[in-house]
Order: sequence, then C-alpha cells, then structure tokens
Amino acid sequence: QSALTQPASVSGSPGQSITISCTGTSSDVGGYNYVSWYQQHPGKAPKLMIYEVSNRPSGVSNRFSGSKSGNTASLTISGLQAEDEADYYCSSYTSSSTLNNYVFGTGTKVTVL
Amino acid sequence: QVTLRESGPALVKPTQTLTLTCTFSGFSLSTSGMCVSWIRQPPGKALEWLALIDWDDDKYYSTSLKTRLTISKDTSKNQVVLTMTNMDPVDTATYYCARTSGYDFTFDYWGQGTLVTVSS
Repeated sequence: QSALTQPASVSGSPGQSITISCTGTSSDVGGYNYVSWYQQHPGKAPKLMIYEVSNRPSGVSNRFSGSKSGNTASLTISGLQAEDEADYYCSSYTSSSTLNNYVFGTGTKVTVL
Repeated sequence: QVTLRESGPALVKPTQTLTLTCTFSGFSLSTSGMCVSWIRQPPGKALEWLALIDWDDDKYYSTSLKTRLTISKDTSKNQVVLTMTNMDPVDTATYYCARTSGYDFTFDYWGQGTLVTVSS
C-alpha cells in the first residue's frame, strides 16, 4: 500500500492563501469521499482539520477548506497566520482485501514566511 | 469530553514483543460506529496506520504488518491493546491511538502518543 503523495513543503506570507495537494489512486482518494486532513505541530498529536473531503469539525477555523478532483484532494488555508505553521497530513479510506483500510499522505511542512 | 491515553514501555529490545494499551473515556466502544485505531510515526517521518478494532469486535490490520500485529479490546475497562511481535529498530516510533468513526472513517480524537525505542 503506497502512501498518498503530498508536496514536501509549502510556504506563504501572512494573509496569503496556500494549497496543499494529496494525490492517490482510484482505490483511495478517487474512489471515496472519505479524505481527511490533520495538522500536527512539533511534538504534538495530529489534530483533525477536515473530514469527508470538505467538512470542518466544530472549532476549526473557516480559513481551512478542502476539495477533491479525481484522484487528488486539496487543503487550502486562506488568510495564513503564524499559528498555521505545522505539518499537514491527508488520509483516505480504502477498501480492498489486498490493501490497508487507511492510508496517510507523505506529509507537507507549511512555513509562514 | 473524549480523551485517549497510550501506555507501554519506552524501550524494548530487538525480537521482543511490544504491548501497548490505549485507555479512553468519553465514548463507548460498544456503541455502533465507534472504532479505535493505532497509528505510528517514526521520528521525522510520516504517519502510518497500523490497526483498527470496531464496536462489533471486527479487526483490520496493515497489510505489511499483519503477521506481527494483534489488536483487542476490553469494553468494560475502556481499553484497547495492541501487540507487535519481533520488534526491530525500524519500529522505533511514537505510537498513537485514535478514536475512529466507522461512518466517516475519520480519526477524530487522538492520544498524546508514546515514544517506543527499539534498541539492545
């Protein structure tokens, strides 16, 4: 089971918008609307930011939004803030007798310039 | 309030068996749709899903680690246990347990993680 592909790093200035991509296959990202995104600050546990492609849990800023097209999902952070500097991981459900049930992305380090 | 906490040894020797316990509160693993997963993260590397147990006691494992993993639950104690056999230095990682929804397949609450180092 291969990990989902994310860019290693993305950067932006405060106030700007950035987008992180997450590319999989038709067996995971493209096959299900069960893509989620997690934010992880250094030394901390991941935090759920987006679920089912574009839904935000209660308490997550509306500056975070998600979308999907084909086998690629995306996380957009608008109005970038210093506190957004962290690692971000996507995850997708898969369903196959030969594949893992869940797969994570390779991770993206977001730097606020 | 949902909380999860991992516990287990910080250091294990190569070839030994690792046993980790996830103790949780704020939800019941006997409720339909509730699941608990184990996920690990080697230092400086990405997250890796390991195993999941659901409310119906169905179990799912990473295909690459399936032969080494066993997940079980004690609903009365609100605990989920993961065992991993034949530990190797490459298994050095922070191990997390996370509540998982069986409906939207999301890891919505995470424990703080426990670092396990494999070394002789």
